[in-house]
Parts: sequence; structure tokens; C-alpha cells
Amino acid sequence: DTAVSQTPKYLVTQMGNDKSIKCEQNLGHDTMYWYKQDSKKFLKIMFSYNNKELIINETVPNRFSPKSPDKAHLNLHINSLELGDSAVYFCASSLAGEQETQYFGPGTRLLVL
Amino acid sequence: SQELEQSPQSLIVQEGKNLTINCTSSKTLYGLYWYKQKYGEGLIFLMMLQKGGEEKSHEKITAKLDEKKQQSSLHITASQPSHAGIYLCGGPRRGVPGNQFYFGTGTSLTVIP
Repeated sequence: DTAVSQTPKYLVTQMGNDKSIKCEQNLGHDTMYWYKQDSKKFLKIMFSYNNKELIINETVPNRFSPKSPDKAHLNLHINSLELGDSAVYFCASSLAGEQETQYFGPGTRLLVL
Repeated sequence: SQELEQSPQSLIVQEGKNLTINCTSSKTLYGLYWYKQKYGEGLIFLMMLQKGGEEKSHEKITAKLDEKKQQSSLHITASQPSHAGIYLCGGPRRGVPGNQFYFGTGTSLTVIP
């Protein structure tokens, strides 16, 4: 039983393309997140949604647009991909509340050529 | 500067040896979480420490949180190749809305059989 799933696992694309990464959680959690892990393995939060509402939007280019059709899904759409977007993107979810454990998806490895 | 500093950055140990990874936060956290990331995979939740002075163990891994809740250590006893991976500490910071996790810089562990 997969708790937090992401698709695709790998994504190789050309510069300038538009792509989406999907995330789904079956834990009944209210809050979902997107993180970017850079080449030095540092994880940085990008967005956080609680019950389909945006609550955190860090300094991320507006080419990145999260979409939450329902509280079990938080998809990440990226327009006009750039070389610097190459990274591993992790989705996570947690129950609402500041001390709730976050559970992570397996990650999507994006390579922009 | 990073919110959370981990040391060492990387560690290579012989199987059977003990090791310790440290995590220091510049701010007080609500809770301190330890995650493990296997190479090319997602983040696996290990344990969470909430109270100052708390200590938790799971199998051969023990994590401690200091009284001020700004420093934590992860100790592995009699390491095995299965312990290899990247260890990340992190947690939500007080006063920051939305359960935004701050993560450490990661410690890469290699266990030589």
C-alpha cells in the first residue's frame, strides 16, 4: 500500500518544454508539500497546501504552479523548463498541525537537457 | 546560512563499527525528525523527538534531543551495509506557519562490508 506516490519517477525533457509531476496520498492527510532537492542533497520547501488551499509559497519562479484538485492530490506543473530545474522533486503529506510527521513520496528525478 | 547544520557531511565506516551523526539548529524546533534517504529513493521516516532530553531507539539506531531542543544526535550501533544512505534531520520551526519543515544538509553514510 503506497502512502505517498509520485509519477513519473524519472523525467527527461528538453529546455523550454512544459511538464507536470503528479502526487497522490492515501493517508487522509490535510496538508501536502513539494520540496526540491538540489545536487548537494539539500531539501528546500517550495509549496504547501492545506485542504486545497495554498499556505506556503516560497521564492519559486512563477513557472512553477502547484494545483490541488482535492486534498489527496497536489500536482506540480512547470512551464518553460530550464537547465537549473534539474533536481529531484519530493512530494510529502502530513496531518494538519505544526508537529505532524511528514511522509514523503519516492521522488521524481527531473533532468532538463 | 543553513537553519540546520549536520556533521559530518559524509562518513565511511567498516561494518560493525558504531557511528554518530549530529544535527544543530540555529532556532528552537517544535520537534526534531530524522529521515533516511536511500540512494535514488525517497525519504523514510525514522523517528521524531519532541521533548528536551528525549531519547528514542529503534533497532540499532538511537536518537537524542538536548534540553534546549536545538541539538540532536543519531547513533548507530554495529553498523551494517543496510544502514547506508543519506540521513537528514529536520523539523518545523516555532512561529513559522504551515508546518514548514527545515532540513539539515544531510550526512552521507557508506558502510563497507
